Amino acid sequence: DVQMTQSPSSVSASLGDRVTITCRASRDISTYLAWYQLKSGEAPALLVYATSSLRTGVPSRFSGGGSGTNFTLTISSLQPEDFATYYCQQANRFPWTFGQGTKVEIK
Amino acid sequence: QVFLEESGPRVVETSGTLSLTCTVSGNSIRGHYWSWIRLTPGRGLEWIGNIHYTGSTSFHPSLESRATIEIDLSKSQIALNLKSVTAADTATYYCARDVMGANWFAPWGQGVLVTVSS
Repeated sequence: DVQMTQSPSSVSASLGDRVTITCRASRDISTYLAWYQLKSGEAPALLVYATSSLRTGVPSRFSGGGSGTNFTLTISSLQPEDFATYYCQQANRFPWTFGQGTKVEIK
Repeated sequence: QVFLEESGPRVVETSGTLSLTCTVSGNSIRGHYWSWIRLTPGRGLEWIGNIHYTGSTSFHPSLESRATIEIDLSKSQIALNLKSVTAADTATYYCARDVMGANWFAPWGQGVLVTVSS
């Protein structure tokens, strides 16, 4: 299986801060990477797919980048609704696997 | 807009079978793959398997021997059965639609927490 390693596991940040989450794949996955947002009691949401494509309705403060084995999700200016846990997922090699999550908390 | 809702027993006895149903509304169940994914405190998100509306299935190799997924087009439902459960199967279980032509998932249901207890 492709192992997906996220860092940091948690980050404390203030409103308006720029936050970057890193996801590393154990082997080359090209650009077959997605990012999800999970909030307690809500349905998880796909934010970014194919590394850098924003799903319709996702604010432009979210951006994704990278290729091969190293990827990032950046929130340019943290908003109250962004406090959540974020997961990366590779869609290149079966079985599809996820990172362990990064919790974005209020500082 | 498509909505997914998971339902089923919240507590399952050790060595028993976990059975969940995902009901799809707002759009057709046909033409898509539908996945089950779970979230555990220790292992994070784990893709369990999926089913095409024609009935073909695919599973994570680690769960293939214990999991079955079925689809009922007339009821717009997808069912997950996981047998011989242990405490390690305690998780929030989600159903999700596979994005057409890709292997990511949207939308998802809200999920249901299932606890395996002796």
